[in-house]
Amino acid sequence: GESVGLHLPTLSVQEGDNSIINCAYSNSASDYFIWYKQESGKGPQFIIDIRSNMDKRQGQRVTVLLNKTVKHLSLQIAATQPGDSAVYFCAEKAGSNQFYFGTGTSLTVIP
Amino acid sequence: GAVVSQHPSWVICKSGTSVKIECRSLDFQATTMFWYRQFPKQSLMLMATSNEGSKATYEQGVEKDKFLINHASLTLSTLTVTSAHPEDSSFYICSAHEGNYGYTFGSGTRLTVV
Repeated sequence: GESVGLHLPTLSVQEGDNSIINCAYSNSASDYFIWYKQESGKGPQFIIDIRSNMDKRQGQRVTVLLNKTVKHLSLQIAATQPGDSAVYFCAEKAGSNQFYFGTGTSLTVIP
Repeated sequence: GAVVSQHPSWVICKSGTSVKIECRSLDFQATTMFWYRQFPKQSLMLMATSNEGSKATYEQGVEKDKFLINHASLTLSTLTVTSAHPEDSSFYICSAHEGNYGYTFGSGTRLTVV
């Protein structure tokens, strides 16, 4: 694999604040990226994706930023809500169909 | 949207027995499915790529005789953990790709080997 899982970093934010979750990817040839949300005991859920020919993409309350120069991806969540508490993973793909997941960040929203 | 159903959601088995996990694409055909393994508080690790009608492609370090993958139809892939041991206890997740909806994940299977 291209990225190896490690113990999850954590992020705590106050309800209503904006959250920024970061991800460093490993393969400079990766051309497609997805952010997933995973709640405890469940499979990952798609949040937003971005292709390497873009540097920013916005969804509902979420924005993904891609910096290919430093191989960095970020997910911004506006007005974070308690329901946003979960583990967030970025995943990268380079041409083939396989996705490789980043370390993940555990987000806790404090009411 | 595309739905991937994974079954069972939780299984407890005795050491030495085999366990089969099913992954079904409910409303689309998936020529390729993927199997991941996830340990607590860790990321998803790709185990293998399951190709309909052909042999699976395993990631480095994954024992193909231990984790048997069968993709007999365009809507079903199975992962069989053979001669399971406690160290095989993990959360197993499948995903499938559908052109219009991208990559969709199953809900996962928690395997506990006692």
